[in-house]
Amino acid sequence: QITLKESGPTLVKPTQTLTLTCTFSGFSLRTSAVGVGWIRQPPGKALEWLAVIYWNDDKRYNPSLKTRLSITKDTSKKQVVLTMTNMDPVDTATYYCAHRDIVVLGDAFDIWGHGTMVTVSS
Amino acid sequence: QSVLTQPPSASGTPGQRVTISCSGSSSNIGNNAVNWYQQLPGTAPKLLIYKSNQRPSGVPDRFSASTSGASASLAIGGLQSEDEADYYCAAWDDSLSGYVFGTGTKVTVL
Repeated sequence: QITLKESGPTLVKPTQTLTLTCTFSGFSLRTSAVGVGWIRQPPGKALEWLAVIYWNDDKRYNPSLKTRLSITKDTSKKQVVLTMTNMDPVDTATYYCAHRDIVVLGDAFDIWGHGTMVTVSS
Repeated sequence: QSVLTQPPSASGTPGQRVTISCSGSSSNIGNNAVNWYQQLPGTAPKLLIYKSNQRPSGVPDRFSASTSGASASLAIGGLQSEDEADYYCAAWDDSLSGYVFGTGTKVTVL
């Protein structure tokens, strides 16, 4: 059974850097074709894809946020970390991590974490 | 500002068929697979359709999807009260080099 859980601060100040951790189980990021992505959702708004990292350390970023994002993995700890610099109140959102298997599912995210709400405010 | 446009809302009575559209372009829906997600109130999104028309295990067959050119649609047959949720289409966009979600459609069961 695949599960993912997001963790990190619930409140950050403007200009600070946000670091979120996705801890997963039920799969390995050493397995070919597997990836973990981050998606966010501001309150009452649509989903927005942020980044994805694959088993081979290939990384893709939302081009509109690329300069602020960094995604890394710790395969042995079964964690994926997303950092976002220069946080602004418009970055207030629920942040989700999710599993992807590009062979089986293409680019769909099939299993999602519950999400973690991050508020940006001074 | 999403490049995939969905109607803000759709509704139907129990048992009816409801269809949700997703309008894109040749750089996304026109050239790549479409995925659909269901988001029940207060919960994380759930994958409903992948590779344009495939259902993950456990998704009822009353959910179906299709694509035509740069547009896609999701149909919910035999609408049930538990289908009341937000629905999002998504696809890779070659021009943006990114995965894009639609604007979302709120389905209400009357």
